[in-house]
Amino acid sequence: GIQVEQSPPDLILQEGANSTLRCNFSDSVNNLQWFHQNPWGQLINLFYIPSGTKQNGRLSATTVATERYSLLYISSSQTTDSGVYFCAVERDDKIIFGKGTRLHILP
Amino acid sequence: ETGVTQTPRHLVMGMTNKKSLKCEQHLGHNAMYWYKQSAKKPLELMFVYNFKEQTENNSVPSRFSPECPNSSHLFLHLHTLQPEDSALYLCASSQVQASDYEQYFGPGTRLTVT
Repeated sequence: GIQVEQSPPDLILQEGANSTLRCNFSDSVNNLQWFHQNPWGQLINLFYIPSGTKQNGRLSATTVATERYSLLYISSSQTTDSGVYFCAVERDDKIIFGKGTRLHILP
Repeated sequence: ETGVTQTPRHLVMGMTNKKSLKCEQHLGHNAMYWYKQSAKKPLELMFVYNFKEQTENNSVPSRFSPECPNSSHLFLHLHTLQPEDSALYLCASSQVQASDYEQYFGPGTRLTVT
């Protein structure tokens, strides 16, 4: 099956810093989503981005489907950005999540 | 209410108890999902329902029994669970059309089995 790898596994940054999270997948996929799981466990839908680039405020994402990766950019980090960021891919009706990147923003 | 709701938010149960988790989506979606998130493990897809029909069961033990009476409601019936079943159980929904699988998650039920 498709392997989804996220990097880095853990990231600690000072408030105000920028960060780039990466999601690699081992085969072509139909869809890709980025989620933020807050400290209370809630999974928030950030981007639905099978290809191209999208932006929403301080967050943006780019998926290069032909090269099998997606990037999530967080600019001017805030403490509320802390949590785990997951990417999930879909192919052949199967949805596979990566193990996530745990982001900790220090005040 | 909007989005995807789950009840209860927290549940503590003994190994001999029977309980049910409830999920309701208010998005008009036609597919619903149960996921399990254990400590330090990736999200595991348990069950998928498309148009009320179960389309996926990822080798989940029979002590977990899903029920989808309509496209807006999804239940997970629990009986004779084990302590290792303690986890966060997440429900999600999506509108499956063409190749669109964008998922929206509920807040989860944190389950502790004693």
